[in-house]
Amino acid sequence: EPEVTQTPSHQVTQMGQEVILRCVPISNHLYFYWYRQILGQKVEFLVSFYNNEISEKSEIFDDQFSVERPDGSNFTLKIRSTKLEDSAMYFCASSFRSYTEAFFGQGTRLTVV
Amino acid sequence: QKEVEQNSGPLSVPEGAIASLNCTYSDRGSQSFFWYRQYSGKSPELIMFIYSNGDKEDGRFTAQLNKASQYVSLLIRDSQPSDSATYLCAVNRGGANNLFFGTGTRLTVIP
Repeated sequence: EPEVTQTPSHQVTQMGQEVILRCVPISNHLYFYWYRQILGQKVEFLVSFYNNEISEKSEIFDDQFSVERPDGSNFTLKIRSTKLEDSAMYFCASSFRSYTEAFFGQGTRLTVV
Repeated sequence: QKEVEQNSGPLSVPEGAIASLNCTYSDRGSQSFFWYRQYSGKSPELIMFIYSNGDKEDGRFTAQLNKASQYVSLLIRDSQPSDSATYLCAVNRGGANNLFFGTGTRLTVIP
């Protein structure tokens, strides 16, 4: 069964460093998303991406964040100058069409120390 | 007002019973409604989606939607210990291609 895959599963970084989280969406899906979940809190939307550009972003997704689809399969989230409060699980998701079910990857646990 | 509200629980039911999970949403323009299951430390796993008023059944799961009351629910029949997880209600608002999640209801099925 097709699935969304994310790497790494766990990333530890020092405050102020840049991290890149990687995702391979389901191959025939057209819409890609990043969500995050701070420990004990709800899942929060960060950004959606379609046709090689950002289609929507939340207020969380400020200039510290960027997304890219560097090739035909990968979808990345870059966090510049990480802060302690960026520590969270980051989930990549994809869907075939808009407003339809999204499938989530297994997540990357980011720990900023 | 929160976008999506769920009772945080915990909700405990005996094995074999029906578990009922509820969710309300604030935006009347919401178009699509989803139930995800999340085991501790894992990612959300899609269980059901529903777009139209009424009931939708899939195996032991039934999703119910009432747009007039802005209410969506999930029934789990013949609950199993493996159903013990946090159930997340997610809503896709009209005009926004992203999901708003509730805080989740923790379900425990007691053997």
